Amino acid sequence: DAKTTQPPSMDCAEGRAANLPCNHSTISGNEYVYWYRQIHSQGPQYIIHGLKNNETNEMASLIITEDRKSSTLILPHATLRDTAVYYCIVRSHGGATNKLIFGTGTLLAVQP
Amino acid sequence: DAGVIQSPRHEVTEMGQEVTLRCKPISGHNSLFWYRQTMMRGLELLIYFNNNVPIDDSGMPEDRFSAKMPNASFSTLKIQPSEPRDSAVYFCATRPPGSGYNEQFFGPGTRLTVL
Repeated sequence: DAKTTQPPSMDCAEGRAANLPCNHSTISGNEYVYWYRQIHSQGPQYIIHGLKNNETNEMASLIITEDRKSSTLILPHATLRDTAVYYCIVRSHGGATNKLIFGTGTLLAVQP
Repeated sequence: DAGVIQSPRHEVTEMGQEVTLRCKPISGHNSLFWYRQTMMRGLELLIYFNNNVPIDDSGMPEDRFSAKMPNASFSTLKIQPSEPRDSAVYFCATRPPGSGYNEQFFGPGTRLTVL
């Protein structure tokens, strides 16, 4: 599986956009980029995933560079409840690939 | 839907005792995962089941750990005998069938303390 690199921590002002970067320079053609987050004392929560096109859902947007070596998760209007550890994970689909391997993630602190 | 249900939420036990953690998956989900989270090692996959069959248990630390899924609505993770280094938060997660991607739904976790 491709390895991901994320900054250990970031700050964001409440109401502003939070842009969380992830490097995955060894990603292969059939691997997707997933984002999960973990709010303190809770289990991880799925946010979004994508292959090569940008994706948007009710929680966030995912921007993947054309060469797919990096991506950015965007929370358009961060709130205090978005304070969490955000994990970027790269996985392929299908077969015996149900495993998600969580790294250390980015601790996003949303400031009032 | 109540989501993934785990019990107990907190468990404190003494070294050498047997510990059993329980998980009830979301109805209809056919993949189930057990994870362990510690400060030192982060979030680790221990074992996962597909249609009640263990598929990959390579993350199970040693023979003291065992997991079962006797039916589609129940799974257990047992530690016997428990040791202080087993202290961690244990999460159960499930995934629906047919989805080609990896959206896993996590339970609230069981915080285990072994004294």
